[in-house]
Amino acid sequence: GENVEQHPSTLSVQEGDSAVIKCTYSDSASNYFPWYKQELGKRPQLIIDIRSNVGEKKDQRIAVTLNKTAKHFSLHITETQPEDSAVYFCAASKGSNFGNEKLTFGTGTRLTIIP
Amino acid sequence: DSGVTQTPKHLITATGQRVTLRCSPRSGDLSVYWYQQSLDQGLQFLIQYYNGEERAKGNILERFSAQQFPDLHSELNLSSLELGDSALYFCASSPDRGPGNQPQHFGDGTRLSIL
Repeated sequence: GENVEQHPSTLSVQEGDSAVIKCTYSDSASNYFPWYKQELGKRPQLIIDIRSNVGEKKDQRIAVTLNKTAKHFSLHITETQPEDSAVYFCAASKGSNFGNEKLTFGTGTRLTIIP
Repeated sequence: DSGVTQTPKHLITATGQRVTLRCSPRSGDLSVYWYQQSLDQGLQFLIQYYNGEERAKGNILERFSAQQFPDLHSELNLSSLELGDSALYFCASSPDRGPGNQPQHFGDGTRLSIL
């Protein structure tokens, strides 16, 4: 089955600087890669996703890049703010003719923004 | 608000007992997924239902079972509870009305504590 590795497990960044979180996946058939943000005690919240036919996607201060050949994808947060502090999870999934399949999650990155 | 409703929010019970967790998906979503998140752990896929039928199983224990009803709400039944079953249980839903991947949106979870 799919295996997703995520690094680093913890990341501290000065406010205003950029943060980068990296994930690798094992199943070359995976074609959908969402990122979730989870604040303490709250639900995982989808912040951005990318499909395998796209190499990069941006949404304001957040961007995701995908390298299918190397089977890795990354989350980039620019101009970090205190409210960006949370645990971030990457995930991978295969679509089918019938829609979604399960998400396989990475182990999470605890991001701390230092004021 | 993700539109996915989970009840109850908290559940405290004893070892050996049985509990039922309930999930109502977003309006129009056909797929429901159950995930387990233990303390300081990532998100582990348990089971997926699509339009009333089981579609995929993850590492779900035999003591656990689930079903999806005609109105598309789902229930996760946990029996013969053990201390190690203490965790956050999340439900997610997605439309799955065609091929390919569609985003999964999570409910607020049920925190299960086994005493």
